Amino acid sequence: GAGVSQSPSNKVTEKGKDVELRCDPISGHTALYWYRQSLGQGLEFLIYFQGNSAPDKSGLPSDRFSAERTGGSVSTLTIQRTQQEDSAVYLCASSSGPYNEQFFGPGTRLTVL
Amino acid sequence: GEDVEQSLFLSVREGDSSVINCTYTDSSSTYLYWYKQEPGAGLQLLTYIFSNMDMKQDQRLTVLLNKKDKHLSLRIADTQTGDSAIYFCAESIVGSQGNLIFGKGTKLSVKP
Repeated sequence: GAGVSQSPSNKVTEKGKDVELRCDPISGHTALYWYRQSLGQGLEFLIYFQGNSAPDKSGLPSDRFSAERTGGSVSTLTIQRTQQEDSAVYLCASSSGPYNEQFFGPGTRLTVL
Repeated sequence: GEDVEQSLFLSVREGDSSVINCTYTDSSSTYLYWYKQEPGAGLQLLTYIFSNMDMKQDQRLTVLLNKKDKHLSLRIADTQTGDSAIYFCAESIVGSQGNLIFGKGTKLSVKP
């Protein structure tokens, strides 16, 4: 079966523009996570969706960041008025097992000029 | 607070064993994980261990957990050039909603 997919793989944008990043989780996985990986850093948790429950947004760094998950499947992470410090690789993961094994997509590399 | 620490670099010769170490601070960890990231790729789950276990072996990989010292290690036997990558240690904590806490990663370089 297909793994987690993300699009686009690369995105270059100008400061101040809005961007949308997409994640297609593994079919049937109820949990979906967004993380951010900055150069030389570990992964920083952004947001978590579990089934139909309200998302855990505790990791979002500012109100310019938002995410939604439609129909319990595809998720979109939106960054408004991008800043240069938003440049990073944005990784999506999905999970359904009792051991919380998270399976990651290849990421979207965002560059804000 | 929660913190996961790893050394940043490790260099070994092909055929040797590699040992990548990790320490964590939160004693309420439920599961601990090792992920591998090759250049330009996402994270690949290698293995995980439940916090009430002290060892898990899976082919060339051996995970050791010392819960008293909050120390986790990943041993790769007969290291190959294809094992060159960044290895991340991560923990899942009771009550954390399921997001993982990651270390900054250890870059493993395997020399022929």
